[in-house]
Amino acid sequence: ETGVTQSPTHLIKTRGQQVTLRCSSQSGHNTVSWYQQALGQGPQFIFQYYREEENGRGNFPPRFSGLQFPNYSSELNVNALELDDSALYLCASRAGQGNTDTQYFGPGTRLTVL
Amino acid sequence: QKEVEQNSGPLSVPEGAIASLNCTYSDRGSQSFFWYRQYSGKSPELIMFIYSNGDKEDGRFTAQLNKASQYVSLLIRDSQPSDSATYLCAVSRANDYKLSFGAGTTVTVRA
Repeated sequence: ETGVTQSPTHLIKTRGQQVTLRCSSQSGHNTVSWYQQALGQGPQFIFQYYREEENGRGNFPPRFSGLQFPNYSSELNVNALELDDSALYLCASRAGQGNTDTQYFGPGTRLTVL
Repeated sequence: QKEVEQNSGPLSVPEGAIASLNCTYSDRGSQSFFWYRQYSGKSPELIMFIYSNGDKEDGRFTAQLNKASQYVSLLIRDSQPSDSATYLCAVSRANDYKLSFGAGTTVTVRA
């Protein structure tokens, strides 16, 4: 167990809807990253939050947005869902900002868009 | 060209054998290299990281890094059925935060 939790475990939505995924980071970790993993692919970086500010973003459209709260928990919001958004969404937390700081993944949220 | 490429699987090895996994990366600015194991339906779990050229051993796992060749590998010695999983190679640049992952290599250890 990494101490990173995510909710919900599974989610089914229809195209055009909006979804919010949640992540609680490991105690003492102030940095949270979100990744999207499509079936048969490696995780793709969506964005990262450090002390409640977004400080890095991958190649994802603006309809993917997020928040980080004072307790370092985080949300990923996706608007106007598309079929291709169906994937495993992973949250990873770490203690610092250095690239050698290990990232610990949560169990993920499986999103299915119909 | 993809940022991180892994040898296509699946890789099937008999129990007790050595499984060899390869990964190449395109960004010469990459400084940190990670191997994650992912069981079916689960999230990635870190098993090794390496920052310097050469070998790094941890139990039955050995990571090898050659920055000049932009190549990193993972050896699993004395493979066990519990090692059956998808292995993901990930890299990050200096002073960067994001991990760039390969597509993974699926390993099956035959009892």
